[in-house]
Amino acid sequence: GDSVTQMEGPVTLSEEAFLTINCTYTATGYPSLFWYVQYPGEGLQLLLKATKADDKGSNKGFEATYRKETTSFHLEKGSVQVSDSAVYFCALSDQLTGGGNKLTFGTGTQLKVEL
Amino acid sequence: SQTIHQWPATLVQPVGSPLSLECTVEGTSNPNLYWYRQAAGRGLQLLFYSVGIGQISSEVPQNLSASRPQDRQFILSSKKLLLSDSGFYLCAWSVKAGTGLNEQYFGPGTRLTVT
Repeated sequence: GDSVTQMEGPVTLSEEAFLTINCTYTATGYPSLFWYVQYPGEGLQLLLKATKADDKGSNKGFEATYRKETTSFHLEKGSVQVSDSAVYFCALSDQLTGGGNKLTFGTGTQLKVEL
Repeated sequence: SQTIHQWPATLVQPVGSPLSLECTVEGTSNPNLYWYRQAAGRGLQLLFYSVGIGQISSEVPQNLSASRPQDRQFILSSKKLLLSDSGFYLCAWSVKAGTGLNEQYFGPGTRLTVT
């Protein structure tokens, strides 16, 4: 079945450092790929997405490129802020029988940004 | 704009007691609806999804059930809670498949502790 693998955390960075969170996936067909962010005690917020190979999703300074050849969707940000501290989830979307779509999530990577 | 509500926000219940968690969506019609569980330190697991009123599909066998009595209402229930039911329960919605839009939008979650 489908699966998503993320680098384990926590990842601790100083403010203004460069961020990379690795994500690779296994799927049949051509799934859409997503990054979600979860702040403490809250639900998940969609951060960015890409729907086909070589698409680049971007939002709030974060970027990720859909790499079909390496089955990867790594999240990057050039300069992190303390407010970026959260748990980041990589996910892929696949069709369900009956018309819904299923998100398969990685286990999440906690990011801590310090002054 | 669309919003999704969940309640209660937190719940502490004894083993063997019943459960009812509610989720409602505003600002859209005929959404797909989903229940996920996030266990401590783990990713999200899809429990149930619904593509319409009265239509429920289960992804994993368990002690829980779901119902959709109205178009924008999704309820998660249990007759007798187990310790293993503890976790963070998230409701999500998406538009219908075939639109090219397959991201899901999450509610704030309910933290359930079974004692």
